[in-house]
Amino acid sequence: GENVEQHPSTLSVQEGDSAVIKCTYSDSASNYFPWYKQELGKRPQLIIDIRSNVGEKKDQRIAVTLNKTAKHFSLHITETQPEDSAVYFCAAGPSTDSWGKLQFGAGTQVVVTP
Amino acid sequence: GAVVSQHPSRVICKSGTSVKIECRSLDFQATTMFWYRQFPKQSLMLMATSNEGSKATYEQGVEKDKFLINHASLTLSTLTVTSAHPEDSSFYICSASISVGEQYFGPGTRLTVT
Repeated sequence: GENVEQHPSTLSVQEGDSAVIKCTYSDSASNYFPWYKQELGKRPQLIIDIRSNVGEKKDQRIAVTLNKTAKHFSLHITETQPEDSAVYFCAAGPSTDSWGKLQFGAGTQVVVTP
Repeated sequence: GAVVSQHPSRVICKSGTSVKIECRSLDFQATTMFWYRQFPKQSLMLMATSNEGSKATYEQGVEKDKFLINHASLTLSTLTVTSAHPEDSSFYICSASISVGEQYFGPGTRLTVT
């Protein structure tokens, strides 16, 4: 099955700087790569996603890049703000065995200091 | 759009009792819903995949007789934790799928078993 590794586990950045989180996946059949932001005690929120027919996607301060050959994808946050502080999860899928399962990375705790 | 509700948000129950958690897609029909468990500072652990009108598919190591899942309609799935024990205390989150891969999460249910 799919295996997703996510790095780093924690990331501290100063307000205004950029943050980059990287994920690798193992299943070459995966074709959907979402990123979720989860604040403490809250639900994971889909912030951006990318499909395998696209190499890069941008939405304001957030961008995701995908390298299918190397099987890795990254989240880029520019001009970070304190409200960007949260845990970010990458995911890959869907699983080919059934029903669109996603495999999640372990998460990255991002702390933006003013 | 893509709003998922979950009820209750918090529940405290005594050891040996059963607890039912509801997951609803409010503004879309979800053919597939997923149930996750999340421990503090950890990633989302998929418990089972729920499809309307059919039996749920459980992940390895998840006891299907303990975690009963019913997907009665395209907008409602329920998870019943039977004979709960303190080790079942956790944050349970459901998600609903609009299209294959894309998942939107409910707000979660904090279960505490005393």
